Amino acid sequence: DAGVTQSPTHLIKTRGQQVTLRCSPKSGHDTVSWYQQALGQGPQFIFQYYEEEERQRGNFPDRFSGHQFPNYSSELNVNALLLGDSALYLCASSLVPGILGPTDTQYFGPGTRLTVL
Amino acid sequence: AQSVSQHNHHVILSEAASLELGCNYSYGGTVNLFWYVQYPGQHLQLLLKYFSGDPLVKGIKGFEAEFIKSKFSFNLRKPSVQWSDTAEYFCAVNADYGQNFVFGPGTRLSVLP
Repeated sequence: DAGVTQSPTHLIKTRGQQVTLRCSPKSGHDTVSWYQQALGQGPQFIFQYYEEEERQRGNFPDRFSGHQFPNYSSELNVNALLLGDSALYLCASSLVPGILGPTDTQYFGPGTRLTVL
Repeated sequence: AQSVSQHNHHVILSEAASLELGCNYSYGGTVNLFWYVQYPGQHLQLLLKYFSGDPLVKGIKGFEAEFIKSKFSFNLRKPSVQWSDTAEYFCAVNADYGQNFVFGPGTRLSVLP
């Protein structure tokens, strides 16, 4: 049973560029959430996707956007990169979306380390 | 807005010492509570969770946590730590069945052999 997988592992970009990060959820999961973890801090919620729609969003600008595909995999896109976007980007998957009942446990992937120069 | 605070930024213990990591949250409604651990170079893993029922929950690797609703706390404990417990520990809160997990800033635990 595959866990949450993310690609790429590491990425180096320059300011102003755009980046796309990818996530495949744990087998059987249909909900994907994205988090940003800056160095020395806890993860911060970016947004969550269920049924190919953004269901909840944290306090992140519109430069951060996402997509969920019919197979439940997801992408995180960041436009006009800033130095402050350098962080570990985590994907987490779960089964039950919040609107239908108690939140199930989220399982996290290994993350993508993004460095913006 | 929900927030989570963790009392200690860095805790240093010797092997066999007892551990208690503090976690407080600010939210007055229904909450689900979690402790995650991040070992060096590894991804976040669930240690334990509280949804309802017995406020004392047991997790993996000998960890336990107690939910005290009146204190808005969910402290993590282990009676005897091992060198392999060296990691970053994160408390997280999920409120009102939303999918938004709010994480604390983390506590780095260093266990000296």
